[in-house]
Amino acid sequence: AQSVTQLGSHVSVSEGALVLLRCNYSSSVPPYLFWYVQYPNQGLQLLLKYTSAATLVKGINGFEAEFKKSETSFHLTKPSAHMSDAAEYFCAVGVSGTDKLIFGTGTRLQVFP
Amino acid sequence: EADIYQTPRYLVIGTGKKITLECSQTMGHDKMYWYQQDPGMELHLIHYSYGVNSTEKGDLSSESTVSRIRTEHFPLTLESARPSHTSQYLCASRTGDQPQHFGDGTRLSIL
Repeated sequence: AQSVTQLGSHVSVSEGALVLLRCNYSSSVPPYLFWYVQYPNQGLQLLLKYTSAATLVKGINGFEAEFKKSETSFHLTKPSAHMSDAAEYFCAVGVSGTDKLIFGTGTRLQVFP
Repeated sequence: EADIYQTPRYLVIGTGKKITLECSQTMGHDKMYWYQQDPGMELHLIHYSYGVNSTEKGDLSSESTVSRIRTEHFPLTLESARPSHTSQYLCASRTGDQPQHFGDGTRLSIL
């Protein structure tokens, strides 16, 4: 069975600091991995997706994620946090052979001035 | 821009009422999904559809029902609302191998 684990339900950074949100996956087949962002009172917006084309995936708003098979990780990073990055971030894995997604429990990012 | 619309955005209603949450998309997507999201928790798939007249139950058991009579419309119904149904409900759609595209959600509160 496939699953994702997000380490850290809350992450706080100062504006301008590096953002690192952790996601580890479990999959017996090459996974499709996603990062979504959810702003307050809104739905989920796709940040980026990994589909095996390249291990370093660049997304919107300056975010990127690196797929590391040896570590079964797909951590999300941004070099310099902005106040507008404050939101909930969800890692998800596509269930093999289906159209379903399995989501992690989310990480709330706070950005302090 | 919002290509998938959910109404109402917020609903506070008493126990025992029949509720329909609306979800419409203008992108012509064949696949549509309903998720339930409790505060601070992950999304759980409760229903999905691969096209007109196709509906399936998701991974999380739900007392709600869905219908897919038109491609663009995927309403969710609760026949008799209970406080345990209080949650946020998110609708999504996709086509081909594109990622799921989400609506803004309906925040439901049952008194």
